[in-house]
Amino acid sequence: DVKVTQSSRYLVKRTGEKVFLECVQDMDHENMFWYRQDPGLGLRLIYFSYDVKMKEKGDIPEGYSVSREKKERFSLILESASTNQTSMYLCASRTRHHRGLANYGYTFGSGTRLTVV
Amino acid sequence: SQQGEEDPQALSIQEGENATMNCSYKTSINNLQWYRQNSGRGLVHLILIRSNEREKHSGRLRVTLDTSKKSSSLLITASRAADTASYFCATYGWNDMRFGAGTRLTVKP
Repeated sequence: DVKVTQSSRYLVKRTGEKVFLECVQDMDHENMFWYRQDPGLGLRLIYFSYDVKMKEKGDIPEGYSVSREKKERFSLILESASTNQTSMYLCASRTRHHRGLANYGYTFGSGTRLTVV
Repeated sequence: SQQGEEDPQALSIQEGENATMNCSYKTSINNLQWYRQNSGRGLVHLILIRSNEREKHSGRLRVTLDTSKKSSSLLITASRAADTASYFCATYGWNDMRFGAGTRLTVKP
């Protein structure tokens, strides 16, 4: 069964800390994504990666960075955590486009609920 | 920016009834997908409909797409208490996916 694993279900960090959220997929997917989910706002795209060492900004990249050194791992980094980054963070992956069309859905991890105090 | 917008925001029905959720979006798409999320968990892909398709079925799910109106609907027939979850539409445009805020469906036994 294909899997996207996020390292922590719940995380509590202090304001100003550097935070690493890890995501690993075992499907050999090229594309990986980080979203945050907040009530009433749905999922908002933070960063995504088409392949190893590639990264693209999503809609809300401020205050975040990412790392994709290996195909299976996509890390989200909060450089200096702030209380407004308290949220549910969801990682997803997908295989590369097929004939220019995205024929496949995303596979999501279970999410990391981060609280910054 | 958020692309899809679901309607209603919340829906409560009795077991056995049908549930219909709608999604509107703003720009051109390659496909539209529906996802389900149980409370506090990740999203699970339900069904994908391509921009050149008008209707698609999968078990008790029926999805329609009207690209002229930029809208889609998800129908769950003969609902069960286990269908209680949030449902999201996601539009795939150029190279990534955008999600709406979701419809919270409650099915009462």
